[in-house]
Amino acid sequence: QSVLTQPPSASGTPGQRVTISCSGSSSNIGSNIINWYQCLPGTAPKLLIHSNNQRPAGVPDRFSASKSGTSASLAISGLQSEDEADYYCAAWDDSLNGPLFGGGTKVTVL
Amino acid sequence: QVQLVQSGAELRKPGSSVQVSCKASGGDTFNVYAIAWVRQVPGQGLEWIGGILPNLGAANSAQRFWDRVTITADESTRTGYMELKNLRPEDTAVYYCARGGWQSAFFDPWGQGTLVTVSS
Repeated sequence: QSVLTQPPSASGTPGQRVTISCSGSSSNIGSNIINWYQCLPGTAPKLLIHSNNQRPAGVPDRFSASKSGTSASLAISGLQSEDEADYYCAAWDDSLNGPLFGGGTKVTVL
Repeated sequence: QVQLVQSGAELRKPGSSVQVSCKASGGDTFNVYAIAWVRQVPGQGLEWIGGILPNLGAANSAQRFWDRVTITADESTRTGYMELKNLRPEDTAVYYCARGGWQSAFFDPWGQGTLVTVSS
């Protein structure tokens, strides 16, 4: 079954580093680019990271991402209150012939 | 910088259909990118519905929506459309359009979202 698995929640205090994992398989992360999206409360998703680890213009450099094999991770360094949001990984899935989203991780700033 | 503006909220009865539009303004050529449709059911995550390449008219959709969704685009008005038929209460969601690559999970930018409520 094609699934991208993320932890449902993550938290940290301001200034801390938070890491979100995204686990997939050879049909998605293992063979395709992964992107990350940020969903702030009540707003449309926003592209946060593309092409595995590239930040679009305007995205703070405290956001970083990496990919290895069939897993990927997003890191937020120097956590800020405005980072409180839902974060989704996404990758094309060759078996589904469509893009697949992870279940999302809610980041709470304590 | 392209912006995507979607049509307003809709209230529909079960069994009916809804069409959501997504108009592109500004930016570069409309038809060289795909227009994707993604929904978010309240309290749940993002779910890809389908997409279209306007310049080819080639469309693709997730298997679970194959028999109920029609995705089209009008290059002359730079507008994409998503019609979902035979609506069920569980189709209540915010529907987003987004510009993206074909056969890709790259979506940027996104429309503001359209709330579709299905209720009798």
